[in-house]
Amino acid sequence: GAGVSQSPRYKVTKRGQDVTLRCDPISSHATLYWYQQALGQGPEFLTYFNYEAQPDKSGLPSDRFSAERPEGSISTLTIQRTEQRDSAMYRCASSLGSSVQTQYFGPGTRLLVL
Amino acid sequence: QKEVEQDPGPLSVPEGAIVSLNCTYSNSAFQYFMWYRQYSRKGPELLMYTYSSGNKEDGRFTTQVDKSSKYISLFIRDSQPSDSATYLCAMNTGNQFYFGTGTSLTVIP
Repeated sequence: GAGVSQSPRYKVTKRGQDVTLRCDPISSHATLYWYQQALGQGPEFLTYFNYEAQPDKSGLPSDRFSAERPEGSISTLTIQRTEQRDSAMYRCASSLGSSVQTQYFGPGTRLLVL
Repeated sequence: QKEVEQDPGPLSVPEGAIVSLNCTYSNSAFQYFMWYRQYSRKGPELLMYTYSSGNKEDGRFTTQVDKSSKYISLFIRDSQPSDSATYLCAMNTGNQFYFGTGTSLTVIP
């Protein structure tokens, strides 16, 4: 596609519910990143994929967070048993594998846990 | 201590002013140094990146990296109202990226 897209753009859920966020990267991009961005803060690294492999998930805050990229393109981030502290903007970015420093960010999904 | 420190501002300057934005960092293993611009309700957009110490210029924007002091800067010359945004510095080790909190800039016409 022309850019990175994310859906939904906004998600309101009740505490304890599971949510799944979707990222559709730029089609030629091997590498995909997930970030959490709190209001007034910079993005915080969660995890990344190189095609379908997930070499680093050290930034995931707890085992309630998981991510997949089964076919090396679209990725999902799932938060189980959501808590109010999970409320944030979740951003996806992608890059060519050879240009790790050049990431293209999506518009983000604003998650609000009530 | 955070890996990357950035003064959140806000910073307000008149049109045409030179703007200086700065970040400090603690990890000497950082490889690339990047500056992103983020408009309200949008994702960050890469402005510039550099690998080595020294200056790099792109139009009205200049980035400066001093690895010995662990200090990076972004200078904006002849600032325009359209430059009003949040500016985030970022650095990486491999595929792990660390962002500053962002500095909010307003350029007043």
